[in-house]
Amino acid sequence: DAKTTQPNSMESNEEEPVHLPCNHSTISGTDYIHWYRQLPSQGPEYVIHGLTSNVNNRMASLAIAEDRKSSTLILHRATLRDAAVYYCILRDGGVTGNQFYFGTGTSLTVIP
Amino acid sequence: EPEVTQTPSHQVTQMGQEVILRCVPISNHLYFYWYRQILGQKVEFLVSFYNNEISEKSEIFDDQFSVERPDGSNFTLKIRSTKLEDSAMYFCASSGQVINYGYTFGSGTRLTVV
Repeated sequence: DAKTTQPNSMESNEEEPVHLPCNHSTISGTDYIHWYRQLPSQGPEYVIHGLTSNVNNRMASLAIAEDRKSSTLILHRATLRDAAVYYCILRDGGVTGNQFYFGTGTSLTVIP
Repeated sequence: EPEVTQTPSHQVTQMGQEVILRCVPISNHLYFYWYRQILGQKVEFLVSFYNNEISEKSEIFDDQFSVERPDGSNFTLKIRSTKLEDSAMYFCASSGQVINYGYTFGSGTRLTVV
């Protein structure tokens, strides 16, 4: 599986937008970009995923670069509950049920 | 919203004992997984299970481990002869049939081997 690179940590003020970057320069044409987050003492939680087009859901937006070598998870208004480790993961869309490889992610701190 | 349920939330066992971690995946999901996370480390894949058999396993998932879907609802991870280094959070997950469907993870079982 292609690797991703994320900053180790980021900070945001409460109620401000947060842009979490991810680089995946070796992404293949069938790789989907998934984002999960892990709140303290909990299991990972699905946030959003996409292939080529930008995606929006109730939790976040995913902006994918035109060359697909990078993406950005956007939290529109950070709350204290968004403090978590955010993982950007590539997963081959040509295979059903295969595993996710979790890296070290970005630890997001939200400042009140 | 449907959930993956794991029991117990915390299990303490003596070294050398066998433990069974239990999971109830989302009812219409077809793919089932176990991951673990040693304190302060990455989330690591152990095994995936589909159509009543293991579809993929990692190097961690050796003969000490086994999985089973004993009935239509439960999915279990058995660890034989536990070692101190098996202490970790164990997460069960399930996913649907659609290719690249996201996983739903349970809240985990904290296993402490003493």
